[in-house]
Amino acid sequence: EAQVTQNPRYLITVTGKKLTVTCSQNMNHEYMSWYRQDPGLGLRQIYYSMNVEVTDKGDVPEGYKVSRKEKRNFPLILESPSPNQTSLYFCASSLRAGGGYEQYFGPGTRLTVT
Amino acid sequence: AQSVTQLDSQVPVFEEAPVELRCNYSSSVSVYLFWYVQYPNQGLQLLLKYLSGSTLVKGINGFEAEFNKSQTSFHLRKPSVHISDTAEYFCAVMTTDSWGKLQFGAGTQVVVTP
Repeated sequence: EAQVTQNPRYLITVTGKKLTVTCSQNMNHEYMSWYRQDPGLGLRQIYYSMNVEVTDKGDVPEGYKVSRKEKRNFPLILESPSPNQTSLYFCASSLRAGGGYEQYFGPGTRLTVT
Repeated sequence: AQSVTQLDSQVPVFEEAPVELRCNYSSSVSVYLFWYVQYPNQGLQLLLKYLSGSTLVKGINGFEAEFNKSQTSFHLRKPSVHISDTAEYFCAVMTTDSWGKLQFGAGTQVVVTP
């Protein structure tokens, strides 16, 4: 089954404790992206990757890191989480960047930073 | 830069009644337009998209949307809703030169009651 998977689905952590949220897709997609969803703000893009070893900042990159060493994986790293990073996070992928290709979303990771 | 405005944050509607969700965008270049749906505790799923051609676009689950370039709108409609249509709906815009960057609206919560 074609899908985007994220782990963990739920995470409660403390301020300053480094964490990684994994994202993997099995569709051989070139483009991958991370979003955060906050009430009343919709989804905002954190980082995106147009292909292996090619990443760039989205609208809200502060406090996050990403890497794209393999085509299928695009982990999101919070080196020193803070309470304002409490949010619902989604990973997405699409066949190509641009061209109006549909983005496929993972199930989400709900992160709470205390 | 592009922006997306969803004019209603919440739309209550009775079962079997019609519903319209309004979306306006601004962009200085050509755009691709999308509607996504998020059911409770799930990721986002594509309802429909407009890339070019006919301005009336039909999607899944009986939804349709009309692209109006002069009014920069992309309103979503369904002639008769079901309880199962209770969800949050997001309008999203991708400019033709943005390399895959999706700009989301704040979302419209649709609540269908018997």
